[in-house]
Amino acid sequence: GENVEQHPSTLSVQEGDSAVIKCTYSDSASNYFPWYKQELGKGPQLIIDIRSNVGEKKDQRIAVTLNKTAKHFSLHITETQPEDSAVYFCAASSGSARQLTFGSGTQLTVLP
Amino acid sequence: GAGVSQSPSNKVTEKGKDVELRCDPISGHTALYWYRQRLGQGLEFLIYFQGNSAPDKSGLPSDRFSAERTGESVSTLTIQRTQQEDSAVYLCASSLRRNEKLFFGSGTQLSVL
Repeated sequence: GENVEQHPSTLSVQEGDSAVIKCTYSDSASNYFPWYKQELGKGPQLIIDIRSNVGEKKDQRIAVTLNKTAKHFSLHITETQPEDSAVYFCAASSGSARQLTFGSGTQLTVLP
Repeated sequence: GAGVSQSPSNKVTEKGKDVELRCDPISGHTALYWYRQRLGQGLEFLIYFQGNSAPDKSGLPSDRFSAERTGESVSTLTIQRTQQEDSAVYLCASSLRRNEKLFFGSGTQLSVL
């Protein structure tokens, strides 16, 4: 089955700096890669996703890049703000898979 | 409309007791998922329902775990003879179709003493 690895497990940045979180996946058939943000005491919320037919997608301060050859994808957050502090999860799934496989999460702390 | 609703939000039980967790998905969502999240860890897939198809139970950790779903509405996750290692947050999610955007509930925090 699919295996998703996520790094780093914790990340601290100064407000206004950029943050990058990286994930690798094992199943070359995977074609859908979402990113979720989880705030304390809440369920994860989708913040951005990308499908395998594109290499990059942006939404305001958030972008995701995908390298299918290397089987890795990354989340980029620019101009970080304190409210970006949360746990971020990457995930992957293939057309044949019935469920998403999640990474282990990254605790992002944005220092004021 | 309303999001995914889970109840109870917190459940404390004694080892050996049975517990039942409830999930109300978003109306019209055909796919429903249960995940388990241990403290400080990622999301572990448990079970998946899609319409009237047979559920994918491949993630259930033991036969003490079971789940049901009535049509495309409410789902219940039952854990029998709870053990301390069952302590975790149990998250339910629904989506319009398989592998589309998942909407998560806030979870049930289960503590087994």
